[in-house]
Amino acid sequence: DQQVKQNSPSLSVQEGRISILNCDYTNSMFDYFLWYKKYPAEGPTFLISISSIKDKNEDGRFTVFLNKSAKHLSLHIVPSQPGDSAVYFCAARTNRGGSNYKLTFGKGTLLTVNP
Amino acid sequence: ETGVTQSPTHLIKTRGQQVTLRCSSQSGHNTVSWYQQALGQGPQFIFQYYREEENGRGNFPPRFSGLQFPNYSSELNVNALELDDSALYLCASSVQGWGGETQYFGPGTRLLVL
Repeated sequence: DQQVKQNSPSLSVQEGRISILNCDYTNSMFDYFLWYKKYPAEGPTFLISISSIKDKNEDGRFTVFLNKSAKHLSLHIVPSQPGDSAVYFCAARTNRGGSNYKLTFGKGTLLTVNP
Repeated sequence: ETGVTQSPTHLIKTRGQQVTLRCSSQSGHNTVSWYQQALGQGPQFIFQYYREEENGRGNFPPRFSGLQFPNYSSELNVNALELDDSALYLCASSVQGWGGETQYFGPGTRLLVL
């Protein structure tokens, strides 16, 4: 039972254009959502996050949108750069009594930004 | 400020053996989580440690066990290795409580079981 789904295994965009990565979830108890970027032979690097009480969070070229009613979030990268080429993971946090608890990850989307 | 480090980077074991993987948390972080990432999958939560005690566990059998030390470093032990245990093992550190929602990952240990 996959609670966090990234339905696009890969995405290819042109440098300078917008990249939109999507993520769907099923568990209403998730209280925080995070995006991580992963290069080969490295661990995931934190990119941006959003609380479930917000609908948008922006950090430079990266913006995350959350639609709670649709249980959907998306990561927008504008403008896309070749260095953004990596696997992007969507993750959701389950909060148990205020303690940090586990992250549930999607399978990832491979983003390729072409020069 | 040092990030999360893990050792070794690569490891080859045979079925039935035991393995210990190590992790040093980011400075100031008191919580460590371990994840298993199989090929083509996202990381899967194994367990989390806080104040040297297990603070939550995913769907992994008891032969996966862990330790957290007073300096917040951690170990993941896997007994009776199986072929399916071949994966990238990731450790992530964070801070308990408000503002500690983000987990920061190390580079991982790639384990191959033959």
